[in-house]
Amino acid sequence: DQQVKQNSPSLSVQEGRISILNCDYTNSMFDYFLWYKKYPAEGPTFLISISSIKDKNEDGRFTVFLNKSAKHLSLHIVPSQPGDSAVYFCAARDTGNQFYFGTGTSLTVIP
Amino acid sequence: NAGVTQTPKFRVLKTGQSMTLLCAQDMNHEYMYWYRQDPGMGLRLIHYSVGEGTTAKGEVPDGYNVSRLKKQNFLLGLESAAPSQTSVYFCASEPGGDPNTEAFFGQGTRLTVV
Repeated sequence: DQQVKQNSPSLSVQEGRISILNCDYTNSMFDYFLWYKKYPAEGPTFLISISSIKDKNEDGRFTVFLNKSAKHLSLHIVPSQPGDSAVYFCAARDTGNQFYFGTGTSLTVIP
Repeated sequence: NAGVTQTPKFRVLKTGQSMTLLCAQDMNHEYMYWYRQDPGMGLRLIHYSVGEGTTAKGEVPDGYNVSRLKKQNFLLGLESAAPSQTSVYFCASEPGGDPNTEAFFGQGTRLTVV
């Protein structure tokens, strides 16, 4: 069973507009959530995270929102830039030592 | 800093052959992980280690073995490769001890088993 789900395999957005990537999870024991960005032929790189005690974390153009009651988090990128085109993975961590990853969303920012 | 380095970057194996993937990190991290990435499946944890001399099974450990003889190295072995093990393998590490930290990934190893 996939404990972290990204239901949109792909997303296309015009440059300058907002990109919203969504992620749902099933395990209520997850207490730390992360977003990773991955370019082709490279490893994932950390983008932004949020602890379960918060509902929002912002870092420049990137904001992550957490809705614990809905078991949902989202990543907002504004304004979107062509260099943001990549695959974005949502990840969650429980009280153990494992990260659980979603299947990824491929974002294309159109110039 | 090199960060997390994986060798080799590419490999083609015949069914039944064995090989070892090496992951090396220079950040003095305690925790290390091996993942595989398959289309439509995201990253799935194979094995992990929380310190030198320790290993534990992840979500998809069958057909793989690991060793952590030195803190900086985490080896992933395939004893008898199968086509189902065709995948991209990623190693990751993190400091450990603080649950609110991120993992750092290597560039990946693309393995094809024919």
